[in-house]
Amino acid sequence: DAGITQSPRHKVTETGTPVTLRCHQTENHRYMYWYRQDPGHGLRLIHYSYGVKDTDKGEVSDGYSVSRSKTEDFLLTLESATSSQTSVYFCATLIAGAGEQFFGPGTRLTVL
Amino acid sequence: AQKVTQAQTEISVVEKEDVTLDCVYETRDTTYYLFWYKQPPSGELVFLIRRNSFDEQNEISGRYSWNFQKSTSSFNFTITASQVVDSAVYFCALLLPRDYKLSFGAGTTVTVRA
Repeated sequence: DAGITQSPRHKVTETGTPVTLRCHQTENHRYMYWYRQDPGHGLRLIHYSYGVKDTDKGEVSDGYSVSRSKTEDFLLTLESATSSQTSVYFCATLIAGAGEQFFGPGTRLTVL
Repeated sequence: AQKVTQAQTEISVVEKEDVTLDCVYETRDTTYYLFWYKQPPSGELVFLIRRNSFDEQNEISGRYSWNFQKSTSSFNFTITASQVVDSAVYFCALLLPRDYKLSFGAGTTVTVRA
């Protein structure tokens, strides 16, 4: 357990509205990630961060943006939510040297 | 690009049977990590094992065992004498230290019937 919390844990929103998901960690890990989980696809990387203000895209980054102004917080924003973004979102952190990754509890997002 | 394939979508067994989950990975890197995660019905991701590319020793942990073969790019997972509590989705994953991106397989759903 790396002290990762995600908020909110559940959210229902309407198409076209902006949504921000928050990931908070207490272990001062440098690397942080956002994944989405959909049936038949496993977990797919949306964006990740390798330090404060340092971020990069993953394989499914279209429609998402991220920000990391502090080591402990990594925000995922859907500027204008679409029904295809209905998913379970997981945040994770990584201890680089050990290659050990820790996951948050997940956020279930439903876009109507 | 790296890729992880879990060919088995679903496996259903009767309690006490053994079950083997296949994982095949692709990468051109010589240094990498392989993982298995369990996702029970409650939804959280539970870390099971990490193996680096230089350690081909097989590992056993209780009823769980892992067979890592670089020659076939496989990292298979066996549950011996399965129990109902083993019912979950199991994911295999690959991490490359050059960018620290984790690639997941699509997952295998294991159902153990009493």
